[in-house]
Amino acid sequence: EDQVTQSPEALRLQEGESSSLNCSYTVSGLRGLFWYRQDPGKGPEFLFTLYSAGEEKEKERLKATLTKKESFLHITAPKPEDSATYLCAVQPRVQGAQKLVFGQGTRLTINP
Amino acid sequence: NAGVTQTPKFRVLKTGQSMTLLCAQDMNHEYMYWYRQDPGMGLRLIHYSVGEGTTAKGEVPDGYNVSRLKKQNFLLGLESAAPSQTSVYFCASSYSARSSYEQYFGPGTRLTVT
Repeated sequence: EDQVTQSPEALRLQEGESSSLNCSYTVSGLRGLFWYRQDPGKGPEFLFTLYSAGEEKEKERLKATLTKKESFLHITAPKPEDSATYLCAVQPRVQGAQKLVFGQGTRLTINP
Repeated sequence: NAGVTQTPKFRVLKTGQSMTLLCAQDMNHEYMYWYRQDPGMGLRLIHYSVGEGTTAKGEVPDGYNVSRLKKQNFLLGLESAAPSQTSVYFCASSYSARSSYEQYFGPGTRLTVT
């Protein structure tokens, strides 16, 4: 069964304090791993797609990395506006469909 | 370019009532999806469509029906609402091209069934 586990569930950091969020996954065949950001009362906003182990993507203070079993979202010198819930999802390699299997998310709070 | 829009934003139903949620996208995406999001459960796929006139079941399809009569619209129906269907519903869409698999989400519909 395809499964995604994110840790920690919640994380509080001070502004400028760097850290990492973890996404562990099991999937029969990985087509892609996705990171989304979700603000309260809004829909998930796409951040990154990673397709193969060793791949890295960066956007402002965020960097996503991928291994064969997990992905990390590194946050460097975060600001209060980075506060949000970060969702990880895997897309199994299933012909004819693009289903996403989501983790429960990590709620990140950056204190000024 | 509005992206993915959902109607309505909020709705309160009584047990046994019916309703339809409308999703529209203006990105010419082939694939469309309906998810529900519950505390501690994450996002779960209800139904999806790989093209106009097609629909398929996702992870939690019971109690819901869908239709994709036009490429840009995907409707989610609840024939007889139950309190267990209280949730936030998200619609998403994506290209079918091999180079781009990311899904783009709408703002959500918060549904309460009493």
